Amino acid sequence: GENVEQHPSTLSVQEGDSAVIKCTYSDSASNYFPWYKQELGKRPQLIIDIRSNVGEKKDQRIAVTLNKTAKHFSLHITETQPEDSAVYFCAASGTNTGNQFYFGTGTSLTVIP
Amino acid sequence: DAGVIQSPRHEVTEMGQEVTLRCKPISGHNSLFWYRQTMMRGLELLIYFNNNVPIDDSGMPEDRFSAKMPNASFSTLKIQPSEPRDSAVYFCASSLTGALEQYFGPGTRLTVT
Repeated sequence: GENVEQHPSTLSVQEGDSAVIKCTYSDSASNYFPWYKQELGKRPQLIIDIRSNVGEKKDQRIAVTLNKTAKHFSLHITETQPEDSAVYFCAASGTNTGNQFYFGTGTSLTVIP
Repeated sequence: DAGVIQSPRHEVTEMGQEVTLRCKPISGHNSLFWYRQTMMRGLELLIYFNNNVPIDDSGMPEDRFSAKMPNASFSTLKIQPSEPRDSAVYFCASSLTGALEQYFGPGTRLTVT
């Protein structure tokens, strides 16, 4: 089955700096890669996703890149703000796995004002 | 749209009691997922349904756990009998099959004493 690894597990950055979180996956048939943000005590919320037919996607300060050959994808947050502090989860999915998500173990991001 | 609705939001029960968690997916979504989240194990998929039919229940930890989806707008996750190690936050998520994006409910925080 699919195996998703996520690094780092914790990340601290100064406000205004960039943050990068990386994930690798094992199943080359996976074709959908969402990122979720979970604030303390709240539900995971989808912030951006990418499908395997594109290499990069941006939404304001957030971007995701995908390297299908190397089977890894990354979340980039620029100009970080204190409200970006949360746990971020990556996931991999595909029709080969019935569209179920395989989640990474999460990255706790702290943005220091 | 009200989003995914879960009840109760908090449940405290004694070991050995039966616990029933409830979920109403987003109207029109035909895939429903039950997850368990703990600090130690992260986000675990317990079971998911497509068009009210259970597709994969390999994540259900043991026979004490059962899930049903009697119609497109309602699902339950039952634990009987409950044990302290079942204490966790249980999330329900729904998606439109083919669209892949999963939307999470607010979760039920279960504490078994």
